[in-house]
Amino acid sequence: NAGVTQTPKFQVLKTGQSMTLQCAQDMNHNSMYWYRQDPGMGLRLIYYSASEGTTDKGEVPNGYNVSRLNKREFSLRLESAAPSQTSVYFCASRVDPNPGNEQFFGPGTRLTVL
Amino acid sequence: AQSVTQLDSQVPVFEEAPVELRCNYSSSVSVYLFWYVQYPNQGLQLLLKYLSGSTLVKGINGFEAEFNKSQTSFHLRKPSVHISDTAEYFCAVSGLTGGGNKLTFGTGTQLKVEL
Repeated sequence: NAGVTQTPKFQVLKTGQSMTLQCAQDMNHNSMYWYRQDPGMGLRLIYYSASEGTTDKGEVPNGYNVSRLNKREFSLRLESAAPSQTSVYFCASRVDPNPGNEQFFGPGTRLTVL
Repeated sequence: AQSVTQLDSQVPVFEEAPVELRCNYSSSVSVYLFWYVQYPNQGLQLLLKYLSGSTLVKGINGFEAEFNKSQTSFHLRKPSVHISDTAEYFCAVSGLTGGGNKLTFGTGTQLKVEL
């Protein structure tokens, strides 16, 4: 099993450009999450999908959109990138929303917006 | 609402010395507590978690943590660290808060093990 995979690993954008970060999991998990990690701030939740067909905003959703394409895939889109979105983005999955269950993380996408 | 405070942003320690990484939490509901480790340029992986029962939890790589409800703490310890333990460590809390029962992370503690 590959676990949680993310593409691309690195990306450089210019201000105003758009892009989609891809995430897929092969563990048959119901819940999926997108986080951003910034120095000194830990991980902050952008959007989540508790189950296939549902998506909801997290702590820092402004400037982002998501699509739960199917049970395996959960993408994050930046419509008009801004320098403040320079960050490392992590996708995670959990078997279900039960808070005692572990979240499994992908390797991350390092995004720089110039 | 729930929150996590990791008081130390960096902890330097010599190899084979003991280490404690501190974590305090607050929550209005019963919580589940986690420690994750992030090695350089990698994603996060679970070290250990507390759900219920014994307050002393053992995890991978010789780490353990103790849940203290009265002090709302969940400190991580290792009796003898190795160079390979150099990484960033995140404490996190989750509970039946609705909104997907999200995981709330602390700001992280960078553990640097020196020879």
